[in-house]
Amino acid sequence: GNSVTQMEGPVTLSEEAFLTINCTYTATGYPSLFWYVQYPGEGLQLLLKATKADDKGSNKGFEATYRKETTSFHLEKGSVQVSDSAVYFCALSVGANSKLTFGKGITLSVRP
Amino acid sequence: GAVVSQHPSWVICKSGTSVKIECRSLDFQATTMFWYRQFPKQSLMLMATSNEGSKATYEQGVEKDKFLINHASLTLSTLTVTSAHPEDSSFYICSSKGENTNEQFFGPGTRLTVL
Repeated sequence: GNSVTQMEGPVTLSEEAFLTINCTYTATGYPSLFWYVQYPGEGLQLLLKATKADDKGSNKGFEATYRKETTSFHLEKGSVQVSDSAVYFCALSVGANSKLTFGKGITLSVRP
Repeated sequence: GAVVSQHPSWVICKSGTSVKIECRSLDFQATTMFWYRQFPKQSLMLMATSNEGSKATYEQGVEKDKFLINHASLTLSTLTVTSAHPEDSSFYICSSKGENTNEQFFGPGTRLTVL
């Protein structure tokens, strides 16, 4: 079956620190990969995505590269801000039905 | 992105009663809606997929007679938890998808507590 594994959290960083959140996956078929973010009190929002190997998704300073050889899609940001404090979910979908398989999510807290 | 709302945002009910949760896509036509359940510190688990005007497709292990899903219009889907019990307490999240996209837009979730 399909599954997504995220590193254990929570993560607490100081402003302007470098961020890496690990995500690995297993999938039957060729997945599309996603990072979603959930700000306090809001619904999940798509942060970035990649649909084929070696693609790099990027948005708001965040980046993630689809690594088929290591089945990974790690999220990175060079300099985090307090406003990046949120819960981050890695997810995948396979095929046309758009069903998403999520990781557990990780809470990021950025302190001034 | 598109806006999806859920109502109520939280609800407390007695064991044995039924609770209805609404999911609305406010600015686009949602041909498909998804219902998820999230336990504390766990990932979102897909419960069912509903297409407008059709019966919902439930994931393995989800009781369709307990979690009634109706998707009667392109902007509204409802999830009714029937004869709720404390183990049904959870965070329920819906998402909507339009016809020409694979992107899902999520509601803010509904916290259900069954006493």
